[in-house]
Amino acid sequence: GQNIDQPTEMTATEGAIVQINCTYQTSGFNGLFWYQQHAGEAPTFLSYNVLDGLEEKGRFSSFLSRSKGYSYLLLKELQMKDSASYLCAVRPFRRANNLFFGTGTRLTVIP
Amino acid sequence: GAGVSQTPSNKVTEKGKYVELRCDPISGHTALYWYRQSLGQGPEFLIYFQGTGAADDSGLPNDRFFAVRPEGSVSTLKIQRTERGDSAVYLCASSLSGSASYNEQFFGPGTRLTVL
Repeated sequence: GQNIDQPTEMTATEGAIVQINCTYQTSGFNGLFWYQQHAGEAPTFLSYNVLDGLEEKGRFSSFLSRSKGYSYLLLKELQMKDSASYLCAVRPFRRANNLFFGTGTRLTVIP
Repeated sequence: GAGVSQTPSNKVTEKGKYVELRCDPISGHTALYWYRQSLGQGPEFLIYFQGTGAADDSGLPNDRFFAVRPEGSVSTLKIQRTERGDSAVYLCASSLSGSASYNEQFFGPGTRLTVL
C-alpha cells in the first residue's frame, strides 16, 4: 500500500514562517503535489516536485528529497487567509494518473 | 464553464437507495478522476478515466460502485444499495491528459452525500 504521513494540526502566527512536513513510502514515485483546501471547498493546486530540490512560488516553496521520501511546504509571511488544510499527495509510478493523499495538515494562523 | 462542476452539491438519501453523482470536467480535459473524502481525511482515489474508458478502477471499494463516461466528457458515479458508511464528500477532478508527467488535477466543489 501507499503510506503518506503529515502532522494533523499546526498553529502559527500571522507574518511568521511555517514548515509543513510530509513523508511517504509508496510503491513508486512520479511526482509529489501539495494542495490547499479551505473548509468546505475543493482542493486547489499549490506545487509540484518531481526532482530533488526546492521549488519557489511567491510566498510558497516546496522541497523534495526522493532518497529520504520527504517533502516540506514552506509558507512565508503568513496571512490569516492561509488558514486551511494542506494536503500532500504522491503519484506512484505504476498508477501514474491518480494521486494518493495524506490526511492533510490543518493550519491555523493566529493574529 | 471555467472549472469542474458537480451536481448535486448535496444529496441526502436513505440506506439501500440508489444514487447518481454527476461531474462535468473542464472542456478539453481528457482525464477525469473520482475521489472520496471523509471528514478529517485526505481524498481517497476511486477511479480514473482516460477518454471514455476506465483506465484504473482499483480504488472502487466494492461492486456497489460504478462509474461511466460514455462520451469522454461528463461522468456519472453510481452507487447502489447505499450504506451509511458511504457518507462522504465525492470529489471529481480533471486534467489535460492522464499520461503527462506533469499532471495538475483541477478539482470540483464536490457532492456531499449523506446516507441516513
